[in-house]
Amino acid sequence: ILNVEQSPQSLHVQEGDSTNFTCSFPSSNFYALHWYRWETAKSPEALFVMTLNGDEKKKGRISATLNTKEGYSYLYIKGSQPEDSATYLCAFIRGGSNYKLTFGKGTLLTVNP
Amino acid sequence: ETGVTQTPRHLVMGMTNKKSLKCEQHLGHNAMYWYKQSAKKPLELMFVYSLEERVENNSVPSRFSPECPNSSHLFLHLHTLQPEDSALYLCASSRRIMNTEAFFGQGTRLTVV
Repeated sequence: ILNVEQSPQSLHVQEGDSTNFTCSFPSSNFYALHWYRWETAKSPEALFVMTLNGDEKKKGRISATLNTKEGYSYLYIKGSQPEDSATYLCAFIRGGSNYKLTFGKGTLLTVNP
Repeated sequence: ETGVTQTPRHLVMGMTNKKSLKCEQHLGHNAMYWYKQSAKKPLELMFVYSLEERVENNSVPSRFSPECPNSSHLFLHLHTLQPEDSALYLCASSRRIMNTEAFFGQGTRLTVV
């Protein structure tokens, strides 16, 4: 069983606040890390696929960084809006002879207007 | 609308029934996936197909039987399920296996009675 931890479990912020959360994963046999956003009653939506140590990716107000040597990724949201309210999931993919994908339990973000 | 369509959206079945879930994508993707989301648990990867060949089977009980007749269609055949198999079953596809973003369907909410 691969340990993929996300923190915090849930987060309430005010509109306009910036926020960040963490995904921790094993630092060996890294293949890729995915971030997804999952709004209630919708499908998970891909945010980023990160494959290289030191990767920094950005999409609008959301950005992510990756440190494969120490086994963590941060997701940042700048100037949170109510429509950012969702569960943010990371998925760690271990490489090797066969792929092993493990999701974290997610961070539930609520942005209050 | 992600381009990945799942049917049915809801399914109630008895423990002795046989049913099938269907997933369809016309995005030209080569990889397709079945995931399970049980209450209060992380998303779990069940099966992975790449170019119509199964490449991952995460110790899923044999009462779940996947089928990928071509790169656009994926089925999950269900038989003699247990009430604890009640969950949201999500299908996803990606251009390449594991290191490109996955597009998810809206899921089938399965209840086993």
